[in-house]
Amino acid sequence: AQKITQTQPGMFVQEKEAVTLDCTYDTSDPSYGLFWYKQPSSGEMIFLIYQGSYDQQNATEGRYSLNFQKARKSANLVISASQLGDSAMYFCAMREYSNTGKLIFGQGTTLQVKP
Amino acid sequence: DVKVTQSSRYLVKRTGEKVFLECVQDMDHENMFWYRQDPGLGLRLIYFSYDVKMKEKGDIPEGYSVSREKKERFSLILESASTNQTSMYLCASSFLGQGFQPQHFGDGTRLSIL
Repeated sequence: AQKITQTQPGMFVQEKEAVTLDCTYDTSDPSYGLFWYKQPSSGEMIFLIYQGSYDQQNATEGRYSLNFQKARKSANLVISASQLGDSAMYFCAMREYSNTGKLIFGQGTTLQVKP
Repeated sequence: DVKVTQSSRYLVKRTGEKVFLECVQDMDHENMFWYRQDPGLGLRLIYFSYDVKMKEKGDIPEGYSVSREKKERFSLILESASTNQTSMYLCASSFLGQGFQPQHFGDGTRLSIL
């Protein structure tokens, strides 16, 4: 069965420093996609970045990059040059291509950026 | 921009009431989803729908039902609300199909059952 694990319930980072949020996954499907979402305290879920299982390069979107290690089944989110507005909860999610678009979410990591 | 609109940000209801949570999307997405979010548990799928009048159970459907009479609207129904259904409810939508199809979320409804 597919599963997503985020082992860091909470993290702190100093403003302007980089931070890595961990995500490991488990699936038997060779085709899948991995997503990261950000949820500020206001509650909305904001899509950040996507990595397909067959993508040759790690995904990047501005200050966000995804450190994809397929053999280890990990898909860590790296945020460079942290800003105060990055303080939020972050969710890793996986979609197997064989299903109708359902996502399986991890438990989330709360990130606090210190000034 | 994709817009997913949930009818209420905050809602307070009483035990035993029938509760309706409404969700509307404006991007002609085939898929629509209802999740609940609880601390330490992440988001858990209640129900989803991939077409009008079609629905499938997610991981925690007990105590809930859904309705999709029009493509843009997906309703979550708590038949007889109970205190353990106090939670944050999130609606999402996406295109059907493989590959890169991110789900777009509404702002969520914080539901309290007293």
